[in-house]
Amino acid sequence: AQTVTQSQPEMSVQEAETVTLSCTYDTSESDYYLFWYKQPPSRQMILVIRQEAYKQQNATENRFSVNFQKAAKSFSLKISDSQLGDAAMYFCAYRITGTASKLTFGTGTRLQVTL
Amino acid sequence: ETGVTQSPTHLIKTRGQQVTLRCSSQSGHNTVSWYQQALGQGPQFIFQYYREEENGRGNFPPRFSGLQFPNYSSELNVNALELDDSALYLCASSLRLIGETQYFGPGTRLLVL
Repeated sequence: AQTVTQSQPEMSVQEAETVTLSCTYDTSESDYYLFWYKQPPSRQMILVIRQEAYKQQNATENRFSVNFQKAAKSFSLKISDSQLGDAAMYFCAYRITGTASKLTFGTGTRLQVTL
Repeated sequence: ETGVTQSPTHLIKTRGQQVTLRCSSQSGHNTVSWYQQALGQGPQFIFQYYREEENGRGNFPPRFSGLQFPNYSSELNVNALELDDSALYLCASSLRLIGETQYFGPGTRLLVL
């Protein structure tokens, strides 16, 4: 069974600084997708970034980038120039390529952004 | 382009009752997935619908059932509610069956007393 582990229940970062959220996953599949979703207090799950396992290049979206280490099954999220609006729960998620594309989520990391 | 919407936003039921939650998928999306998110946890996959048929199910009992309509909107029905069914229920839509990114609605908060 696929599992996703986020070992940091809470993280804190000062505004304008950089923070890295950790995620590891366990799978026997070779073709899959990885995602980071953000869930603010409004509850809506918002896609931050996604990575296809077959791509060696790490995905980047503005201030958000990932460090994807396929052999180590690690998928960390780096947030640069943190802003107050980045405060939220962050969930790492995994999905195999194929039908019934369910997402398997980790337990989340709560990110606080301080002045 | 309209995003994923869900109704109602909040709901209170008593144990043993039945509930129906609704989801309108993003324009053009033909696949809808439902997730249950207990307090302090990540979402858990309930099931997925593609072109009006169930296409994959998580570890949830049969009292969790669903429908998808020709316009790709969807319902989640839960019978014989239990206290542990109290959670945030999230609907997500995507463009194709074999995946692109799933886009989530704001969820329905269900409280079972």
